[in-house]
Amino acid sequence: SQKIEQNSEALNIQEGKTATLTCNYTNYSPAYLQWYRQDPGRGPVFLLLIRENEKEKRKERLKVTFDTTLKQSLFHITASQPADSATYLCGGSGTYKYIFGTGTRLKVLA
Amino acid sequence: ETGVTQSPTHLIKTRGQQVTLRCSSQSGHNTVSWYQQALGQGPQFIFQYYREEENGRGNFPPRFSGLQFPNYSSELNVNALELDDSALYLCASSLEDSFSYEQYFGPGTRLTVT
Repeated sequence: SQKIEQNSEALNIQEGKTATLTCNYTNYSPAYLQWYRQDPGRGPVFLLLIRENEKEKRKERLKVTFDTTLKQSLFHITASQPADSATYLCGGSGTYKYIFGTGTRLKVLA
Repeated sequence: ETGVTQSPTHLIKTRGQQVTLRCSSQSGHNTVSWYQQALGQGPQFIFQYYREEENGRGNFPPRFSGLQFPNYSSELNVNALELDDSALYLCASSLEDSFSYEQYFGPGTRLTVT
């Protein structure tokens, strides 16, 4: 079945470093991948969308890549801050549906 | 610009009962998707409505049904509630129905089934 997988283990990094989160997809080829931020008890907030024919997209301190050969997207937060601590979800367009990964919890330590 | 709103915020129901959750989409958006999110999991796609028609469905049984109204607001109905239906139910609106647009999520409805 179509699946998106993210590292379910929490990622702890020091403030100021670059956080890199991984999203892998299997058994299909999404035309688009999207990244969202979710804080506890709240709905996800859209961050970035990247199309399969785009290698990289940037927005302020955020960067996302899409590698169709590796079937992977990487999400980077540069100069991370404690306020960036949250769960980050990767989602893709499937066949008449959206598919999300389980999310990776990021904790930025001051 | 009004964001996505959902009601109620919290709900407690008994197994076997029926529940209706409501969602108002962001102004200008004609597409609404519903998700179920269990604790520690990602959102699971239930279905999407575009211009009052179901446009796509995830792996959920028929007791999960929905409606979209002419003003693009939407309802999610769940019949014969089961304990495993306890979750955060999220509604998201988007500009069009192609599954390629970014989605704007509401705050969710926390459903507890006892």
